[in-house]
Amino acid sequence: KNEVEQSPQNLTAQEGEFITINCSYSVGISALHWLQQHPGGGIVSLFMLSSGKKKHGRLIATINIQEKHSSLHITASHPRDSAVYICAARSNTGNQFYFGTGTSLTVIP
Amino acid sequence: DTGVSQDPRHKITKRGQNVTFRCDPISEHNRLYWYRQTLGQGPEFLTYFQNEAQLEKSRLLSDRFSAERPKGSFSTLEIQRTEQGDSAMYLCASSLNRDHEQFFGPGTRLTVL
Repeated sequence: KNEVEQSPQNLTAQEGEFITINCSYSVGISALHWLQQHPGGGIVSLFMLSSGKKKHGRLIATINIQEKHSSLHITASHPRDSAVYICAARSNTGNQFYFGTGTSLTVIP
Repeated sequence: DTGVSQDPRHKITKRGQNVTFRCDPISEHNRLYWYRQTLGQGPEFLTYFQNEAQLEKSRLLSDRFSAERPKGSFSTLEIQRTEQGDSAMYLCASSLNRDHEQFFGPGTRLTVL
């Protein structure tokens, strides 16, 4: 069992739809990251959070420490949001990061 | 500063050969991380440096792998006696310190024939 599990693995949405990607983790963490990876490999950090909620433009990330769960929401989705979204948890017993396998999002015009 | 850079971007080698990759982090970033990513999977942590000190190594980092960051700036990752299973994207990231976000380089794609 992976330390970090994401769902769904694949997601197809119509442009404009509200999107939710979920991340559950089984280890104690000091921070959780949401990353975006476009075809070709480039990775961009979207959020780093350890509690509560963060918002950046159309993206919202939340975390529930007690339930060991985080969600990434995209409002008014757009085809340019199509990418793989990866959840990564930083262990609180060291500095190792555990990554989910990613959620591949395709937004159709 | 243009971000984290990695060199080369692509490397094709024959099994048994040694390869070395370089990562140049963002200036003044104290932390530097190495990850490996295979197709369809998320990145896997390999090791990280705080300045020039290598503070943690994953069990994935076998004896054939070695990483250095001699002056606390750029880092190198060397793989000796490459195997086909080493074929992957090798990603480098840097951050100002532990509690700051990581900035990723474009990666080095290694193919071992």
